[in-house]
Amino acid sequence: NAGVTQTPKFRILKIGQSMTLQCAQDMNHNYMYWYRQDPGMGLKLIYYSVGAGITDKGEVPNGYNVSRSTTEDFPLRLELAAPSQTSVYFCASSYLQIDTNQPQHFGDGTRLSIL
Amino acid sequence: KQEVTQIPAALSVPEGENLVLNCSFTDSAIYNLQWFRQDPGKGLTSLLLIQSSQREQTSGRLNASLDKSSGRSTLYIAASQPGDSATYLCAMFSGGYNKLIFGAGTRLAVHP
Repeated sequence: NAGVTQTPKFRILKIGQSMTLQCAQDMNHNYMYWYRQDPGMGLKLIYYSVGAGITDKGEVPNGYNVSRSTTEDFPLRLELAAPSQTSVYFCASSYLQIDTNQPQHFGDGTRLSIL
Repeated sequence: KQEVTQIPAALSVPEGENLVLNCSFTDSAIYNLQWFRQDPGKGLTSLLLIQSSQREQTSGRLNASLDKSSGRSTLYIAASQPGDSATYLCAMFSGGYNKLIFGAGTRLAVHP
């Protein structure tokens, strides 16, 4: 039972490079999310998706792009890496149920350093 | 702007002590709230989800309460153990689609 799987676990980038953080879930969840967590801070929502082909911005979307071509996968792309994007990135998913919230399930994170 | 605040930021207690972690939020129209545990270098593990119609939820030694009128939630940990050492985050559901707004967390250390 894999749950939410994120790859890679660690990555160091140079300023201006690009990369894609991968996220996959095997729980057939409709909703998926990307967060970033800076030291000593809570998580901030970057982008989210409510189903294949549908994405929307969260609180801190600048510098990132996402796509959702399948229910299972929700990759996050950094086009021009900047030092301010050094952070731990978490992917999460949750089940859709009308009229009530469902808990989010998280991956183990990707630790990204931009030098 | 909706905000979630957690106090204290860090807490160190001896093993066996009962303790309370606090979470306050600015949105009085809060729907539901979720408590998480985060171990160093790991992702978040869901502990409890409290619906707005409930006043509390219990799981083992954990009890979470929700008081919408005062804008507060508390996580009570009974008979703390060294294995409880972790960061505890609370988050409120906001804006539909199960989106969450997180507090900065309380870093708990339980020493033998």
